Amino acid sequence: DGGITQSPKYLFRKEGQNVTLSCEQNLNHDAMYWYRQDPGQGLRLIYYSQIVNDFQKGDIAEGYSVSREKKESFPLTVTSAQKNPTAFYLCASSKVDIRDGYTFGSGTRLTVV
Amino acid sequence: AQSVTQLGSHVSVSEGALVLLRCNYSSSVPPYLFWYVQYPNQGLQLLLKYTSAATLVKGINGFEAEFKKSETSFHLTKPSAHMSDAAEYFCVLSNAGGTSYGKLTFGQGTILTVHP
Repeated sequence: DGGITQSPKYLFRKEGQNVTLSCEQNLNHDAMYWYRQDPGQGLRLIYYSQIVNDFQKGDIAEGYSVSREKKESFPLTVTSAQKNPTAFYLCASSKVDIRDGYTFGSGTRLTVV
Repeated sequence: AQSVTQLGSHVSVSEGALVLLRCNYSSSVPPYLFWYVQYPNQGLQLLLKYTSAATLVKGINGFEAEFKKSETSFHLTKPSAHMSDAAEYFCVLSNAGGTSYGKLTFGQGTILTVHP
């Protein structure tokens, strides 16, 4: 079955460390997205990519970085510059035609210890 | 600018009662609208979508929504709530063109509680 796989499901980071969250899809979708979810704040867009080797900043890109070297993969790095990284991170993908909506992964919960 | 407002961050109903989750939107171009459901510590699952065809759309698990342009609304309903419907629901808007192509705007979410 096609879908999006996020790993790990839970991640603990020490202050000052960079961590990378994995997102892989086998849906042959062109576009991929990273969202951050905090209680009471809905979902906020971090980065998105509509084509390999190209990506754009979303609304809260500071302290994050991404790469899109393959169509199937869109890893997110949470850098030490991100002041409050504890959150639930969701990866999504879509066709360029958005009428089918997004397909979401099951998320990664990142906690700073 | 486009926006989505979900009226009521928490809604509580009894099992078997009508579920009504309210959503209003603002968009300068014809919108695409979606409802997603999220269970705890999981991703979001698409319930239904409006993409400028029929204004009454039916989704999974007995949910439906009606697009009303005059009221800029896209409320989600289900005639009879089940315990398994307890989750958080998001109303989502897509600007179908321009520089925001493919990006979604999420409402703040409504947590649905179902009492026995």
